[in-house]
Amino acid sequence: DQQVKQNSPSLSVQEGRISILNCDYTNSMFDYFLWYKKYPAEGPTFLISISSIKDKNEDGRFTVFLNKSAKHLSLHIVPSQPGDSAVYFCAASGPTNAGKSTFGDGTTLTVKP
Amino acid sequence: NAGVMQNPRHLVRRRGQEARLRCSPMKGHSHVYWYRQLPEEGLKFMVYLQKENIIDESGMPKERFSAEFPKEGPSILRIQQVVRGDSAAYFCASSPEFFSPGNTIYFGEGSWLTVV
Repeated sequence: DQQVKQNSPSLSVQEGRISILNCDYTNSMFDYFLWYKKYPAEGPTFLISISSIKDKNEDGRFTVFLNKSAKHLSLHIVPSQPGDSAVYFCAASGPTNAGKSTFGDGTTLTVKP
Repeated sequence: NAGVMQNPRHLVRRRGQEARLRCSPMKGHSHVYWYRQLPEEGLKFMVYLQKENIIDESGMPKERFSAEFPKEGPSILRIQQVVRGDSAAYFCASSPEFFSPGNTIYFGEGSWLTVV
């Protein structure tokens, strides 16, 4: 049973437009949510996170929204740039150990110039 | 200011051999996490270590896998008697303190194990 799901394996967006990556989770004990970005043959890079006490967190072009009742979160990238093309992983953890996260399978974002 | 260093980047082992993967955390980091990524899947937590201590190994397979983070030197993930299903990318991450809301974690570039 996959507890963190990214239902879209891929997403293609035009440069300058908004990219919206979605993530659903099933475990109501999850309290902390993270997004990572990964280029091929490299390690993931921690992007942005959100605690369950918030419904939005913003960092530059990246905004994460959390809907606890729907067990859904999304990552918005505005404006999208070609360098944003990568695999994005959603992850979730309990309140104490963010390193022990459960990851989704990733969404490959392609930003076209 | 070196990042998290993993070696080897690529390792080929025959079935039944041992694989040793090394991870040197960022300078000043004493918390290390290991993850495994199978093809087309997300990362899966394996183990969390601090210097000389295994804090949480709940994601480690019960047999053949072990990890250590000695007082001196890198953290090592050891896989004994490898099987084809062990073929994966193994990522190490480090943090200066316990990774919790409000701080961050840094990943190495990974070690790709291929079992033939």
